[in-house]
Amino acid sequence: NAGVTQTPKFQVLKTGQSMTLQCAQDMNHEYMSWYRQDPGMGLRLIHYSVGAGITDQGEVPNGYNVSRSTTEDFPLRLLSAAPSQTSVYFCASSYARWGMNSPLHFGNGTRLTVT
Amino acid sequence: KNEVEQSPQNLTAQEGEFITINCSYSVGISALHWLQQHPGGGIVSLFMLSSGKKKHGRLIATINIQEKHSSLHITASHPRDSAVYICAVRTLGRLYFGRGTQLTVWP
Repeated sequence: NAGVTQTPKFQVLKTGQSMTLQCAQDMNHEYMSWYRQDPGMGLRLIHYSVGAGITDQGEVPNGYNVSRSTTEDFPLRLLSAAPSQTSVYFCASSYARWGMNSPLHFGNGTRLTVT
Repeated sequence: KNEVEQSPQNLTAQEGEFITINCSYSVGISALHWLQQHPGGGIVSLFMLSSGKKKHGRLIATINIQEKHSSLHITASHPRDSAVYICAVRTLGRLYFGRGTQLTVWP
């Protein structure tokens, strides 16, 4: 059981480049989400999804795009990288149904630097 | 406006001390999570609570739904407990996170 697999672990981009951070889970979780973690800011929600074909914006969605074509995968796309997007990114998943007790499962994080 | 407030922001303790981290929230929730993050490391789930109290080894988590408050206690703290502890609350559609409490335990 792999849990949440997040790739890559490290990435360096130049301003203006695009890339996709991958997130996959094998627990049949409905809820998947992307966060960025910056010093002193805690985890901030970028986008989330409560099931295949359903996505919604979080607190800091600008400059990021997501899609959820399958239950397993929830990729995060940076459309045109900016230095302000330098951060550590985490993907997380859990069950989403009301009353369903489900711990959160996190990927190992992606450290992104935009120069 | 922060839906989840944690205190203290930073906490230093001597090995063996009893530690309490607090979490207050302002939204209706279906569950509250306590998470642990070691320096440079990933994030792991410690507890998920919807009522009452849970205990894993030296860690105890409590929640008071009426007061919208939760506490994480560490008994007989150890340097390996040094980490950031994060409170998160789940509503119907999403999660809200506190900013975390940096705990340092000295030998």
